[in-house]
Amino acid sequence: GAVVSQHPSWVICKSGTSVKIECRSLDFQATTMFWYRQFPKQSLMLMATSNEGSKATYEQGVEKDKFLINHASLTLSTLTVTSAHPEDSSFYICSAGRGGTQYFGPGTRLLVL
Amino acid sequence: AQSVTQLGSHVSVSEGALVLLRCNYSSSVPPYLFWYVQYPNQGLQLLLKYTSAATLVKGINGFEAEFKKSETSFHLTKPSAHMSDAAEYFCAVTVQGSGNTGKLIFGQGTTLQVKP
Repeated sequence: GAVVSQHPSWVICKSGTSVKIECRSLDFQATTMFWYRQFPKQSLMLMATSNEGSKATYEQGVEKDKFLINHASLTLSTLTVTSAHPEDSSFYICSAGRGGTQYFGPGTRLLVL
Repeated sequence: AQSVTQLGSHVSVSEGALVLLRCNYSSSVPPYLFWYVQYPNQGLQLLLKYTSAATLVKGINGFEAEFKKSETSFHLTKPSAHMSDAAEYFCAVTVQGSGNTGKLIFGQGTTLQVKP
């Protein structure tokens, strides 16, 4: 149990376009989901906390207008990278909370050309 | 505020040898502690967690960790390393609140190398 999926697993896009990443909890409902960014050889950096039915809470330094988060249901949260630029290229990982534990998705590799 | 320090960014052991990955935490309230493993280009997989029950916690793949409040430590061990254990390991701490899932504070990560 506690399976989290992400789609797509990797995406290449042109600079200036927007990219949407989906995070789904497959066998449980998650009131809270989290979005992380990970640079090579580094730890995870929390971007935002997503609560179902309410606005996401962004960490300091994360542009909310650039990284749009929607948590429309108890099993789905989406992250949209708007007007992507090469510096947004990264590994994005989501997690879903259940019973006080975060369960992570497999990650999405974004490459912006 | 909570923090986590993983001692040693890189640990190398021989196959069959003891694995010891060190984690120290700081928390002003009773913490919940986690160890996650990350294989290349993948997400994080939960190895084990401490949630104020037994101080010795057994996880998947033969790993275990002991919560020592006096030492503010939560070191991860495995008696005998396998080649498949080679990965990145993260220790994390959170503070829970009435059933909610709190934010995780991660350590810097430790790369485990297993030599044949």
